[in-house]
Amino acid sequence: SQQGEEDPQALSIQEGENATMNCSYKTSINNLQWYRQNSGRGLVHLILIRSNEREKHSGRLRVTLDTSKKSSSLLITASRAADTASYFCATDSGGKLIFGQGTELSVKP
Amino acid sequence: GAVVSQHPSRVICKSGTSVKIECRSLDFQATTMFWYRQFPKQSLMLMATSNEGSKATYEQGVEKDKFLINHASLTLSTLTVTSAHPEDSSFYICSAWIREGGYTFGSGTRLTVV
Repeated sequence: SQQGEEDPQALSIQEGENATMNCSYKTSINNLQWYRQNSGRGLVHLILIRSNEREKHSGRLRVTLDTSKKSSSLLITASRAADTASYFCATDSGGKLIFGQGTELSVKP
Repeated sequence: GAVVSQHPSRVICKSGTSVKIECRSLDFQATTMFWYRQFPKQSLMLMATSNEGSKATYEQGVEKDKFLINHASLTLSTLTVTSAHPEDSSFYICSAWIREGGYTFGSGTRLTVV
C-alpha cells in the first residue's frame, strides 16, 4: 500500500542552493518521518516529526507538518553534492511505516 | 544500537528455485518486523508485518504462499521467496520496530532471478 504523493519526483539543483520536497498523505498519523536512500542502498533515517508538532530542525534539515492539509515538506539548506540521493517521507499510523513515492534529488557541484 | 543485519546483500537464483533472506536484530529484541519490496526507481512497498511467534500479516495483493515469512525468535525473521520468477527480481528490505516512532532498517537484499 502507498500512503501518498511526493513532489517533485525529481529535482536537480546546484550546490549551495536549497532543496524543498513535499509529501502528502491520506490517513491520520502518529508521526511522519523522512528517510534518505542512496542508489541501491539501505535507508537512513533523517528526522521524525510528531503529529502535534508543526516544525522541526536538524542541522541543515527543516521539516514542516500540516495535519489539516495532510502534508509535509523537507527543506535541505545549502545543499552539497553528497546530498544527492532519493528522499522518502513515511507515515507511521497503526504501528507500521508507509512510504511515499519519493523525490530523486541531484545536486550538481 | 538497534542494528538489523540483513543477509545476503545480493543473490542471483534460477527461475523456479527458492531464496531465503534473513534479518537479525543484533543488540535488541525485535518483536515486530516488516518486509518491504522496492522495484527500480520506485518507493518501498510494505509486503507484510511479522510478530514473533505468530503468523505474518500480509498487505493486500501480496501472495502469502509465495513470500513465506517466519519470525520464530525475537532476533530472527526470514523471508523466503518460493518458486522465484524474473518478476520477483527486486530489492527486499526488512525493518524492525524498536520504540514508538522508531524503526531500524536492514541494508537490503538485491534479488535477481534468471
